[in-house]
Amino acid sequence: QKEVEQDPGPLSVPEGAIVSLNCTYSNSAFQYFMWYRQYSRKGPELLMYTYSSGNKEDGRFTAQVDKSSKYISLFIRDSQPSDSATYLCAMGFQGAQKLVFGQGTRLTINP
Amino acid sequence: NAGVMQNPRHLVRRRGQEARLRCSPMKGHSHVYWYRQLPEEGLKFMVYLQKENIIDESGMPKERFSAEFPKEGPSILRIQQVVRGDSAAYFCASSPGQGDVYGYTFGSGTRLTVV
Repeated sequence: QKEVEQDPGPLSVPEGAIVSLNCTYSNSAFQYFMWYRQYSRKGPELLMYTYSSGNKEDGRFTAQVDKSSKYISLFIRDSQPSDSATYLCAMGFQGAQKLVFGQGTRLTINP
Repeated sequence: NAGVMQNPRHLVRRRGQEARLRCSPMKGHSHVYWYRQLPEEGLKFMVYLQKENIIDESGMPKERFSAEFPKEGPSILRIQQVVRGDSAAYFCASSPGQGDVYGYTFGSGTRLTVV
């Protein structure tokens, strides 16, 4: 079993839709939870991060963490074609530097 | 303010040759991380280095792979006697200091193709 599971998609939605991206994890020692966006042929860029259960909002993006269920989500409201990318969840341990990534979900927003 | 610079962007090597990948961290960053991304997979941690020190190499294959971050110059990921399975995108990230998992900045990667 992988430490972090993420549906690779692809996911295709119309412009303006609400997008929900999810990851599950098996290691309860994870303390940090992040979402990265990766455009084709580019490096990942950090979108959202949190270390506690609950919701965190930043503009059109909301990150949600449920530690009891070992489940994290990223919601994108009013999705735009420019949001088309691969979204990677990542998790880290207290005191450690390395991140464990999900496989990534390829998202396409259709105009 | 240049970001994390990786070169070359694309590298083609024949089986058995050596591949050298370079990473210059962001200005002011003294911590470097290497990750590998195989086709259709997420990033896998390889190694974490500070200047002149390897801190965590738990993700490095035991043979043929090595990394360094000298006092002067870029960090180097070296793959000896490359095989087809080494074909992947290799990403470097840097951060200002320890405990900065939020502060990672990734480069655009080096895409290695072994023919």
